[in-house]
Amino acid sequence: AQTVTQSQPEMSVQEAETVTLSCTYDTSESDYYLFWYKQPPSRQMILVIRQEAYKQQNATENRFSVNFQKAAKSFSLKISDSQLGDAAMYFCAYRSYNAGGTSYGKLTFGQGTILTVHP
Amino acid sequence: DTGVSQNPRHKITKRGQNVTFRCDPISEHNRLYWYRQTLGQGPEFLTYFQNEAQLEKSRLLSDRFSAERPKGSFSTLEIQRTEQGDSAMYLCASRQTGPEQFFGPGTRLTVL
Repeated sequence: AQTVTQSQPEMSVQEAETVTLSCTYDTSESDYYLFWYKQPPSRQMILVIRQEAYKQQNATENRFSVNFQKAAKSFSLKISDSQLGDAAMYFCAYRSYNAGGTSYGKLTFGQGTILTVHP
Repeated sequence: DTGVSQNPRHKITKRGQNVTFRCDPISEHNRLYWYRQTLGQGPEFLTYFQNEAQLEKSRLLSDRFSAERPKGSFSTLEIQRTEQGDSAMYLCASRQTGPEQFFGPGTRLTVL
């Protein structure tokens, strides 16, 4: 079974600064997806960024980028030019590449990191 | 695109009562997931539907839990004889063929 670990329960950053959230995972699979989801207080979870394990290039989405280290099973999220609206709980999640068999595309989440952005 | 909707948003019930939650996925999405999220934790998978077929159930889904998706559209999650340990946020997500799941706002259950 796959596991996802987020070792930082809380992080804080000053507005306009950069912050990095950490995530490690354990799997015996070679092909998979990794995601970062954002869950603002009392609002629904939205996808921030996605990484396919077979791609060597790190994914980027505007101010959000990842550092994917497949051998180390590490998947960190970097938020540049932090904004007040970035304050939320951030979850790292794993999904098997093949959505058949006993996986069916279900997500395995980490425990989450609460990000506070100070003005 | 109206997104995934869930009703009710909040439910307070007394221990031993039955509760039912509803999830309406994005209309063209044939895959639907239920997750449970306790306070300060990440969501945990409960069950998966492809169209109307329930193809996987987590061991977290005890005999008191049942889920349905008649006609492959909306889904319901029922909890019978609720216990205080059932208090959590119940999240629904849907997807089509791509890997991304789209989440609803959740139903927060409080069992007194």
